[in-house]
Amino acid sequence: GQNIDQPTEMTATEGAIVQINCTYQTSGFNGLFWYQQHAGEAPTFLSYNVLDGLEEKGRFSSFLSRSKGYSYLLLKELQMKDSASYLCAVTDSNYQLIWGAGTKLIIKP
Amino acid sequence: DVKVTQSSRYLVKRTGEKVFLECVQDMDHENMFWYRQDPGLGLRLIYFSYDVKMKEKGDIPEGYSVSREKKERFSLILESASTNQTSMYLCASSSSARDTGELFFGEGSRLTVL
Repeated sequence: GQNIDQPTEMTATEGAIVQINCTYQTSGFNGLFWYQQHAGEAPTFLSYNVLDGLEEKGRFSSFLSRSKGYSYLLLKELQMKDSASYLCAVTDSNYQLIWGAGTKLIIKP
Repeated sequence: DVKVTQSSRYLVKRTGEKVFLECVQDMDHENMFWYRQDPGLGLRLIYFSYDVKMKEKGDIPEGYSVSREKKERFSLILESASTNQTSMYLCASSSSARDTGELFFGEGSRLTVL
């Protein structure tokens, strides 16, 4: 079966760095997405990786290793507003999105 | 600002009632999707549509139907609501380009079936 694994919850301190991991087992691969979802709000797009390596976008970076079925989202200089759930999703060979359950990130002052 | 709008943020219905969830997007997107989101589970695809009057079953279509009469509007219908359909329902849209497939989501409709 197809599977996306990510930690259920993580806690970090304001100003620090946090890495949220995502591992996947899917039938084929056509890209990996990270979305951010604040409580009670719509998920919003953060990043897309289709080739191996690191994609940097301001304080957020996303890394992909296709051979390992692994990605991480790196958040630097954490702010209180980064408290949210982070959803990992993979597009399989049929271009269908498979979603992880999300990682709830709690930022403490 | 691009927008996906869902008609109701919160609904409470009784078992057996018919429920309509409406979704409208203003981005002229070809693709529209209905997901449900439950604690501890990833988003699960109910139905999707790549064109007007076209619909495809997702992973969990049982108990649901959809309607896409106009490009901008995609409706989810629960013919006879049941308690196990209590959930957060998310509508999303995307352009037909397959390179990124970024989804734009509505704010969600939280349905409680009593």
